[in-house]
Amino acid sequence: ILNVEQSPQSLHVQEGDSTNFTCSFPSSNFYALHWYRWETAKSPEALFVMTLNGDEKKKGRISATLNTKEGYSYLYIKGSQPEDSATYLCAFKPGKAGNMLTFGGGTRLMVKP
Amino acid sequence: KAGVTQTPRYLIKTRGQQVTLSCSPISGHRSVSWYQQTPGQGLQFLFEYFSETQRNKGNFPGRFSGRQFSNSRSEMNVSTLELGDSALYLCASSLDPGTPRGYTFGSGTRLTVV
Repeated sequence: ILNVEQSPQSLHVQEGDSTNFTCSFPSSNFYALHWYRWETAKSPEALFVMTLNGDEKKKGRISATLNTKEGYSYLYIKGSQPEDSATYLCAFKPGKAGNMLTFGGGTRLMVKP
Repeated sequence: KAGVTQTPRYLIKTRGQQVTLSCSPISGHRSVSWYQQTPGQGLQFLFEYFSETQRNKGNFPGRFSGRQFSNSRSEMNVSTLELGDSALYLCASSLDPGTPRGYTFGSGTRLTVV
């Protein structure tokens, strides 16, 4: 059974604060690490797909890093805005055929205006 | 471009009944995966279909089954429903199986078993 863990489970920040979350995953049989944002009453939306050790991806104020050797990824949000409020999910894809993701429990971010 | 369409959006069933959920992927996407989300367990992988074949299966009992049609539309079926099957069921479609791209999710079907 693959174990993907995210911390913290929830986070309350003020508008303008910068924040970061952690995702830990198995360091063996790695193929890809996905990050998704899931807003209430919407579908999960892909943020990043990371495959190489040392990868850094950026999308506006959101960025992510990847360390496959030690099995962790960080997601950073710079200058949080209320519209960033959502659950952020990471998902591990092992190196086998097909599309099968093991998701972490998510980090629920609430940004207060 | 139409997104991933799941029907129905909401469903209420009685214990012991069976249910069929439908997922139409983005046009051209051949891989469809199904996930179950419950408050205590988070998103859990059910199964994945590609070109009408089940390619991967999660750790769920045999009451959960699925299929994929030649147009890539997929259905999942749950027989002999239990209260614990109450959940949000999401499907996700992908253009290139095995290629590291983000998946596109549907809005889900919320199933309540009473």
